[in-house]
Amino acid sequence: KQEVTQIPAALSVPEGENLVLNCSFTDSAIYNLQWFRQDPGKGLTSLLLIQSSQREQTSGRLNASLDKSSGRSTLYIAASQPGDSATYLCAVRRRSGGGADGLTFGKGTHLIIQP
Amino acid sequence: NAGVMQNPRHLVRRRGQEARLRCSPMKGHSHVYWYRQLPEEGLKFMVYLQKENIIDESGMPKERFSAEFPKEGPSILRIQQVVRGDSAAYFCASSPQGPANYGYTFGSGTRLTVV
Repeated sequence: KQEVTQIPAALSVPEGENLVLNCSFTDSAIYNLQWFRQDPGKGLTSLLLIQSSQREQTSGRLNASLDKSSGRSTLYIAASQPGDSATYLCAVRRRSGGGADGLTFGKGTHLIIQP
Repeated sequence: NAGVMQNPRHLVRRRGQEARLRCSPMKGHSHVYWYRQLPEEGLKFMVYLQKENIIDESGMPKERFSAEFPKEGPSILRIQQVVRGDSAAYFCASSPQGPANYGYTFGSGTRLTVV
């Protein structure tokens, strides 16, 4: 059974710092890994999608890496801003037969960027 | 191009009533997924549907919950005889056909409160 763990559960840093959020998963048989952002009371916004054959993806100040063999991904946020404050979720899309195709989510990292 | 549309945004039901949650996928998306987010919990996969077919319902509670995605119209998640423990945010996501290489797009969710 796939399990996804995100560390730390919460993080508070001053504005301008670079930071790293960690995600680990137990089963390396995945199609892809996706990082999302969730603002309080809102839905999920997709940030980055990394296919299983890829090592990293970049979008603006965000960079996500994937090491499938070790079951790890990191989300790097450069020059953090107060608007980055949100919960960041990591999810893996499992590879399986019989049509099963759901995402397995971690519980998220609650990030606060102090002005 | 509208995203994934969910309605209602908020739904209040008394114990024993029925709740109907609707999801219209993004244009061109034929795969729909429902997830539930309980307070202080991560998102959990419930069911995966294509038009007129349930592909994977391994995450659905065995009783009171059902889902459909008819040929015409939105996908419906139906909860009969709701109980307090059903209070949660229910999210719908969609992806294009041939989903393995594509990420998910999520709706803003329906927040169900059972009183």
